[in-house]
Amino acid sequence: ELKVEQNPLFLSMQEGKNYTIYCNYSTTSDRLYWYRQDPGKSLESLFVLLSNGAVKQEGRLMASLDTKARLSTLHITAAVHDLSATYFCAVVSNTGNQFYFGTGTSLTVIP
Amino acid sequence: NAGVTQTPKFQVLKTGQSMTLQCAQDMNHEYMSWYRQDPGMGLRLIHYSVGAGITDQGEVPNGYNVSRSTTEDFPLRLLSAAPSQTSVYFCASSYSRIAKNIQYFGAGTRLSVL
Repeated sequence: ELKVEQNPLFLSMQEGKNYTIYCNYSTTSDRLYWYRQDPGKSLESLFVLLSNGAVKQEGRLMASLDTKARLSTLHITAAVHDLSATYFCAVVSNTGNQFYFGTGTSLTVIP
Repeated sequence: NAGVTQTPKFQVLKTGQSMTLQCAQDMNHEYMSWYRQDPGMGLRLIHYSVGAGITDQGEVPNGYNVSRSTTEDFPLRLLSAAPSQTSVYFCASSYSRIAKNIQYFGAGTRLSVL
């Protein structure tokens, strides 16, 4: 069974600071996803990373993938309050049928 | 487009009752799936379907049944509700399990089993 671990689970940071969320997974996967969830809401897709060394950026968020290390990072640059949410990474099984999610990182950006 | 629609949004059941959570998508997506979200555990896959008439088990299928008679609909049935099934349930769909497409999630159903 594929396992996905995220850390930290909780992150409180001040506006303007930088930080990185880490996502490790246990077996080979050719796709990694990042999602955002606001409190009481559904999940919204942020990034899909498809190959080793892939980097995607959207605004203050940048995601990268190292398939050899089985590691993805979500880097936050100059955080703003609007980024407060829970962030999930997810990987897909080699059959492409099953998605495995990390436990999520709850981010709070303090003004 | 409505996207992925789940009903009901909230439900309270008594132990032993049965119910069906509805999920419909209007994007002609092949792949549909059900997850449950519990605190500290992320989302866990219950069942999934790669097309009409084809379903399979995910990570936590016990106590749940699914069917896929049409491309649009993927209902989740709780056969005999238990307090351990108290959770938030999300339905999701994507164009194809093979393609690199993302999953689109419904708004969720918040279920409490007393």
